[in-house]
Amino acid sequence: DTAVSQTPKYLVTQMGNDKSIKCEQNLGHDTMYWYKQDSKKFLKIMFSYNNKELIINETVPNRFSPKSPDKAHLNLHINSLELGDSAVYFCASSQMTSPEQFFGPGTRLTVL
Amino acid sequence: GNSVTQMEGPVTLSEEAFLTINCTYTATGYPSLFWYVQYPGEGLQLLLKATKADDKGSNKGFEATYRKETTSFHLEKGSVQVSDSAVYFCAPSSGAGSYQLTFGKGTKLSVIP
Repeated sequence: DTAVSQTPKYLVTQMGNDKSIKCEQNLGHDTMYWYKQDSKKFLKIMFSYNNKELIINETVPNRFSPKSPDKAHLNLHINSLELGDSAVYFCASSQMTSPEQFFGPGTRLTVL
Repeated sequence: GNSVTQMEGPVTLSEEAFLTINCTYTATGYPSLFWYVQYPGEGLQLLLKATKADDKGSNKGFEATYRKETTSFHLEKGSVQVSDSAVYFCAPSSGAGSYQLTFGKGTKLSVIP
C-alpha cells in the first residue's frame, strides 16, 4: 500500500505551459505539504495546508498554487512554467498533532 | 525560525567504517529532532527521531542523541554498508500548533566495497 503517492513521476514540458502535479495520501492525515528540491538536494518548503490554514512560503512565486479537493489530496498547479522551475517536487503529509512527515516518491519536473 | 547546520558532504567511506554526520540546530522552545534518508531516485524516509533532551533515536544500526546543551543531533553508525549510500538530512521541527520541519542541506554518503 502506497502511503503518499504522486503523479506523474516525470514531467517534461515547455516554458510557458501550465501543469499540475497530483498528490494523494491514504494515511488519514490532516496536513499536507509541498517541497521543492533543487539540483544540490536542498529542500525548501513551499506550502503547508490543513483544513483550516494554508501557509505559504513567501519566497514562492504566485504562479504556484496548491489545490485541495479533499483532505486526502493536495495538488500543485504551476502557471507559466520557467526554466528555474525545473526540480524535484515532493509531497508530504502528517497529523496536525505530530511533526513527523511522510513523503511521496517525488515528481521530477523538467522545463525546456 | 529554526535553522540547521549539517556537515558538508560528500562523505566517502569504505565498508565497515564508522560514520558520523554532524548536525547542530537553532530553535525556539523544544523541537523534536529527525534524521531523514533519501536513497538514489527515491523520496525521503524517516530514519530516526528523538522528541526530548537525552533521548536516543535508533534504526537500522544508526543512532543519534538529542543533546540540548549543545543543540546537536549527530548521526552515527558503527559499521556502514554499501546499501547505506544515500543523502542524509537533519531536521528539527517547530513547536506544537503549527509543526514545520526545517531541513539541513543534506550530506551525501557514498560507501565503497
